[in-house]
Amino acid sequence: DQQVKQNSPSLSVQEGRISILNCDYTNSMFDYFLWYKKYPAEGPTFLISISSIKDKNEDGRFTVFLNKSAKHLSLHIVPSQPGDSAVYFCAAPSGGSNYKLTFGKGTLLTVNP
Amino acid sequence: DVKVTQSSRYLVKRTGEKVFLECVQDMDHENMFWYRQDPGLGLRLIYFSYDVKMKEKGDIPEGYSVSREKKERFSLILESASTNQTSMYLCASSHRRSAGYEQYFGPGTRLTVT
Repeated sequence: DQQVKQNSPSLSVQEGRISILNCDYTNSMFDYFLWYKKYPAEGPTFLISISSIKDKNEDGRFTVFLNKSAKHLSLHIVPSQPGDSAVYFCAAPSGGSNYKLTFGKGTLLTVNP
Repeated sequence: DVKVTQSSRYLVKRTGEKVFLECVQDMDHENMFWYRQDPGLGLRLIYFSYDVKMKEKGDIPEGYSVSREKKERFSLILESASTNQTSMYLCASSHRRSAGYEQYFGPGTRLTVT
């Protein structure tokens, strides 16, 4: 049973435009969310996070929005750059004290020059 | 800067071989994790450890075992490698008391079992 869902396996955008990556979750107890970025043949790197007490968190070109009533979050990248081309994973702590993360299946973003 | 290193970037093994994948972190993190990444399946947790000699099964532990004899080192063992274990293996670590839950990943080991 997938608790964190990324329903779009891929997304293609033009350089300079906005990229919007979406993530849905089923567990209303999730109170923190993270986005990771992964290039081929490298490990994922942390990008940005948001606590459930907020509905928006911004870091430079990256903004994450959280809609708790819809159990939905989105990552906005503005403006998109070719170097942003990567797989993006949404994740949430699975509960307990050991800080396991449950990851979505990922969305491959391609930014075309 | 947190550093997580994995013993090999690429590995080719034969079916039935015993395979050891090693992971070392230098930030004194209590938690360590092993994942595998497959196309269309995302990151799936194999095992994790929250302290030396402690381990818990993740979502897909079958065919794998782990060892954590020292805090900085977490090993993944494939007792008898099979072709369906061909995958990208990723190690991660995190601080138990981190409010941000952030995990730091190693570069990955691309394992091919023939």
